[in-house]
Amino acid sequence: AQTVTQSQPEMSVQEAETVTLSCTYDTSESDYYLFWYKQPPSRQMILVIRQEAYKQQNATENRFSVNFQKAAKSFSLKISDSQLGDAAMYFCAYRSAVGIQGGSEKLVFGKGTKLTVNP
Amino acid sequence: DSGVTQTPKHLITATGQRVTLRCSPRSGDLSVYWYQQSLDQGLQFLIQYYNGEERAKGNILERFSAQQFPDLHSELNLSSLELGDSALYFCASSVETGGVSGANVLTFGAGSRLTVL
Repeated sequence: AQTVTQSQPEMSVQEAETVTLSCTYDTSESDYYLFWYKQPPSRQMILVIRQEAYKQQNATENRFSVNFQKAAKSFSLKISDSQLGDAAMYFCAYRSAVGIQGGSEKLVFGKGTKLTVNP
Repeated sequence: DSGVTQTPKHLITATGQRVTLRCSPRSGDLSVYWYQQSLDQGLQFLIQYYNGEERAKGNILERFSAQQFPDLHSELNLSSLELGDSALYFCASSVETGGVSGANVLTFGAGSRLTVL
């Protein structure tokens, strides 16, 4: 079974600075997808960014980018120019690639990193 | 608004009771997933339905059951409730093709907060 580990229960960053959240995963599969979700105090789970394992290029979404190291099974999230609204729990998630035989697109989540942004 | 609707938002009940949580997926999404989020366990996958059929089962207790109806809405039934069942229950939906998929995104509802006293 796949597992996702987020080793930083809490992180803090100054407004306008850059912060990197760590995520490692364990899998024997070669094709899969990785995601970062954000959960603000409203509790809503919001997709931040996604990465296909077969793509070597790291995904980027505005101020959010990832460092995907497939051999090391590492998938870190970098937030640039941090804003107060970035304060939230951040969850890393893994999903198997569904083949022709079908399967589940369920996500396996890490336990999360609580990010505080200081003004 | 994510397009995934969960009711009720909050629910307080007593041990031993039974509750039903309801989820309406985004229009066009055939798959519904249920997750439990508690303080010490993170987000745990419970069960998935695809177009009315059970597709995958995770760490779902025997006291819990779910189903997906022909109109694609889903219900999660929790019975013989215990204090430890207090948690946030999320429903998510996705466009799952049943074949080779792309990076289909799970869209989450706002959750149902269950408190068992």
